[in-house]
Amino acid sequence: QQQVKQSPQSLIVQKGGISIINCAYENTAFDYFPWYQQFPGKGPALLIAIRPDVSEKKEGRFTISFNKSAKQFSLHIMDSQPGDSATYFCAASLMNTGNQFYFGTGTSLTVIP
Amino acid sequence: NAGVTQTPKFQVLKTGQSMTLQCAQDMNHEYMSWYRQDPGMGLRLIHYSVGAGITDQGEVPNGYNVSRSTTEDFPLRLLSAAPSQTSVYFCASSYGTGIGGYTFGSGTRLTVV
Repeated sequence: QQQVKQSPQSLIVQKGGISIINCAYENTAFDYFPWYQQFPGKGPALLIAIRPDVSEKKEGRFTISFNKSAKQFSLHIMDSQPGDSATYFCAASLMNTGNQFYFGTGTSLTVIP
Repeated sequence: NAGVTQTPKFQVLKTGQSMTLQCAQDMNHEYMSWYRQDPGMGLRLIHYSVGAGITDQGEVPNGYNVSRSTTEDFPLRLLSAAPSQTSVYFCASSYGTGIGGYTFGSGTRLTVV
């Protein structure tokens, strides 16, 4: 059973536009929701993360929106740039329990100049 | 500060051969994990460790073995390679609290022929 479902699988956005990637989770006990960015040939790198006690977290052009009641969270990339072209993974975990992360299947983002 | 170091970066094995993928971290992280990444399936947990001498199975452990004799090292052994194990393998580590998420290595691309 897929613990974290991610959509869309791929996304093409014009430079300057807004990229939105959505994730839904099953386990209401999850208490840490990170987003990872992966460039070709590299390992995933932590981009931004949120705890369920807040509904939004913003870091520069990247914002996580979190809806606890709907068990959904999303990544918004404002003013998308060609350098943002990468694969994005959402994840969920139970902190302090072995730190197992459940990853979404990834979204390949292409930002067209 | 090297972070998480994986070796080798590329490997080709014949069916039935065995090998060890090496992983070392210099951040004194308690938790270490191995993931495999396959197209359309995201990152799937193979094995993880919450500290030296303690390991446990993840989502897809069959055909793999791990040990954790030191805090720094967490090797992954393929016992008898199969074509289904062709994948990109990532080692990751984190603090026990989970804050900050995982730090990933750069990956090992394994092809089994």
